Amino acid sequence: EIVMTQSPATLSVSPGERATLSCRASQSVSSNLAWYQQKPGQAPRLLIYGASTRATGIPARFSGSGSGTAFTLTISSLQSEDFAVYYCQQYNNWPPLTFGGGTKVEIK
Amino acid sequence: QVQLVESGGGLVKPGGSLRLSCAASGFTFSDYYMSWIRQAPGKGLEWVSYISGSGSTIYYADSVKGRFTISRDNAKNSLYLQMNSLRAEDTAVYYCAKGQQRFFDPWGQGTLVTVSS
Repeated sequence: EIVMTQSPATLSVSPGERATLSCRASQSVSSNLAWYQQKPGQAPRLLIYGASTRATGIPARFSGSGSGTAFTLTISSLQSEDFAVYYCQQYNNWPPLTFGGGTKVEIK
Repeated sequence: QVQLVESGGGLVKPGGSLRLSCAASGFTFSDYYMSWIRQAPGKGLEWVSYISGSGSTIYYADSVKGRFTISRDNAKNSLYLQMNSLRAEDTAVYYCAKGQQRFFDPWGQGTLVTVSS
């Protein structure tokens, strides 16, 4: 099973600042990585797939990069609606499909 | 637009059973694989099960193998999860999700399953 590790667990950022979230895989997942955003009381929403392709309707301030075992989600200028928990998920080696533990982006 | 609506959650005693349903609309249901994913209270996401569009290929997480059964009725645009021998650690919000190349988009709103005596 591929273990996905996200860091930091919590990221405190001021509105308008840049946020950089990390996701690492225990072995290579190529570019088969997705990112999701989850707000309190809501279902997760797909942001990025293929490590760097934005899903339909996702603003350009969200960008993904990386391949192999190290990945990054960058939010270029945080808006109030971006404060949420973010999860990465690998879909290269499965079953099982595995998620990271999440990074909570909170207001500084 | 694509819509997924889960139902069937509730309170059940340890060792009991529950059947979750997911009603799909807005897309050709039989063309897509579907999954169940769960989230324990205050915790992260855990993939539970996968079923191909035809229903011929099925996978489970080790944590539920032998206790849960995924199925689908393409004529009714519906996905199911039969959960038997429930344990306290199965307490979670259960989401159904439409598959896209083994990632998920979109997700339903979820249904809460609580296993407690």
